[in-house]
Amino acid sequence: DARVTQTPRHKVTEMGQEVTMRCQPILGHNTVFWYRQTMMQGLELLAYFRNRAPLDDSGMPKDRFSAEMPDATLATLKIQPSEPRDSAVYFCASGNLRQGSLNQPQHFGDGTRLSIL
Amino acid sequence: SQQGEEDPQALSIQEGENATMNCSYKTSINNLQWYRQNSGRGLVHLILIRSNEREKHSGRLRVTLDTSKKSSSLLITASRAADTASYFCATDDTNAGKSTFGDGTTLTVKP
Repeated sequence: DARVTQTPRHKVTEMGQEVTMRCQPILGHNTVFWYRQTMMQGLELLAYFRNRAPLDDSGMPKDRFSAEMPDATLATLKIQPSEPRDSAVYFCASGNLRQGSLNQPQHFGDGTRLSIL
Repeated sequence: SQQGEEDPQALSIQEGENATMNCSYKTSINNLQWYRQNSGRGLVHLILIRSNEREKHSGRLRVTLDTSKKSSSLLITASRAADTASYFCATDDTNAGKSTFGDGTTLTVKP
């Protein structure tokens, strides 16, 4: 079965360091989402892309977070500089969604568990 | 606050019993989806119900949607230990143009 692949699965680093998380969406999917999951806030949408173009990044702290899709097979989420409050599990999801519609399932990767010391 | 809110937050039952989880939301939606998350894994899509549908079945899952009450329920019949997971509803907010997930219900099925 096709799967969304995220790397690394775990990352521990010290505050101030740059963190890059990668996602390989399912081939043929036109929409890619980045979510953050914490016990306190639950699952939050950070940003999403359709056909590699950023559509909404309103959930993302702009000063330190950036999301890109260099090509159709790779999405990246970067944090620079990282802070302890960024500790969370970051999920990437992809789907084949029509313009203006969110009526198809999202397929999630298994996440990157990030710990900032 | 979250668009979708699940109730209860946690549910513990014996194998073979039925489990019912509820989701309430605030704004107009096009559809509502239910997902499952096993510990340490990503979310897995279970079922999607459109705003013009009232009930949908998939195997041991039954989902209802009441748009007048802005609520949905997920029923798992004849539960198994393997159903132990967190269950989330996700609403497709027509105004916001994006899906919003609730805080989830943690289901524990005891063998």
